[in-house]
Amino acid sequence: GAVVSQHPSRVICKSGTSVKIECRSLDFQATTMFWYRQFPKQSLMLMATSNEGSKATYEQGVEKDKFLINHASLTLSTLTVTSAHPEDSSFYICSARSQGTETQYFGPGTRLLVL
Amino acid sequence: AQTVTQSQPEMSVQEAETVTLSCTYDTSESDYYLFWYKQPPSRQMILVIRQEAYKQQNATENRFSVNFQKAAKSFSLKISDSQLGDAAMYFCAYKKGAGSYQLTFGKGTKLSVIP
Repeated sequence: GAVVSQHPSRVICKSGTSVKIECRSLDFQATTMFWYRQFPKQSLMLMATSNEGSKATYEQGVEKDKFLINHASLTLSTLTVTSAHPEDSSFYICSARSQGTETQYFGPGTRLLVL
Repeated sequence: AQTVTQSQPEMSVQEAETVTLSCTYDTSESDYYLFWYKQPPSRQMILVIRQEAYKQQNATENRFSVNFQKAAKSFSLKISDSQLGDAAMYFCAYKKGAGSYQLTFGKGTKLSVIP
């Protein structure tokens, strides 16, 4: 149980284009989903928290107009990196929790490379 | 603000031996949760073990156990009978009590297992 998937697992795009990453909870309803960014050999940095049906809450320093988050259903959240630039290249990880639990379960991550 | 400190950037252990990874945290809360996550080379974050602060008994999961010292704000992870598959980055994480779902991660400890 508590499986979270992400798609795609890796993506290469040209500078200036937009990229959408999907995060799905496969066997539970995710009341809250989280998006993290991880640079090589570093820890996870929380970008934003989203609750189903409401606007995401972004961490300080994260541009909400650049990193669009949609949590339209209890099993799906999407992160869209708009007008991507090479400095957006990173590993993006989502996690999800269900109502009544304190534990986050993580997706396998998406490696984004912007050329 | 809460902080999580992992003072050992790298550790190594002989296969079948025991190793302990250190984690300390700083908080003024009395109700909180602590976690150890494992990130193998695949980069999938996997929950290893969790501890509720209100529980005095140390959590155990098969070969993994913790030494939770609430007064000292210490939360170390012991891995017994180490296996090659235990080689990974290990992250200690803190979460405030009910009503808050954000995780604060330490910088991680890279564990190598020597055959």
